[in-house]
Amino acid sequence: QVQLVESGGGVVQPGRSLRLSCAASGFTFSSYGMHWVRQAPGKGLEWVAVLWYDGSNKFYADSVKGRFTISRDNSENTLYLPLYLQMNSLRAEDTAVYYCVRESSGYLDYWGQGTLVTVSS
Amino acid sequence: EIVLTQSPATLSLSPGERATLSCRASQSVSSFLAWFQQKPGQAPRLLIYDASNRATGIPARFSGSGSGTDFTLTISSLEPEDFAVYYCQQRSNWPLTFGGGTKVEIK
Repeated sequence: QVQLVESGGGVVQPGRSLRLSCAASGFTFSSYGMHWVRQAPGKGLEWVAVLWYDGSNKFYADSVKGRFTISRDNSENTLYLPLYLQMNSLRAEDTAVYYCVRESSGYLDYWGQGTLVTVSS
Repeated sequence: EIVLTQSPATLSLSPGERATLSCRASQSVSSFLAWFQQKPGQAPRLLIYDASNRATGIPARFSGSGSGTDFTLTISSLEPEDFAVYYCQQRSNWPLTFGGGTKVEIK
């Protein structure tokens, strides 16, 4: 079955960097677009970034453009294929649970359980 | 950016009652609208896509309707497990955007 497992969250000081990972399994990873969506504590959902199935296109929310980079490795010969989110120049307002999400036919059909990022001094 | 406005913010109902949730877009999204359910401590779950199509495994008591700027999610008869927060989301334009959510709580 489809599994998405995020890791890499934690407490980080403002201005520092963090890289999130998402281990994907149970489907043909190279055939699907992948997204990151975040949710600040007690708040709603905010889309962050998308990466096309083949890595050819990326889009970002304005709130993270120039600071965050989404990437993937379709070539790794492992059981769990990775999606990444490199987050630089972190701000307090980036504090959130970050979800890795698969896109199917334009919709966000499978979500990981999320990893919490806390930006605080 | 397309803004999605959900109403009401909170809906207080009893099990067995009908729930009607609204999502209004700031400009037309055609039928490119989805609904998600989120329970405390859990990831969102896709319920409805393309405004009216149930996702895999979603019970028939959930239905979606609408097009353009006005959409509705209806739960025909609330089950105990349906009390949760519901979000709409559009994929018509980048960036993808979500509504602010409607909390369906037990009355």
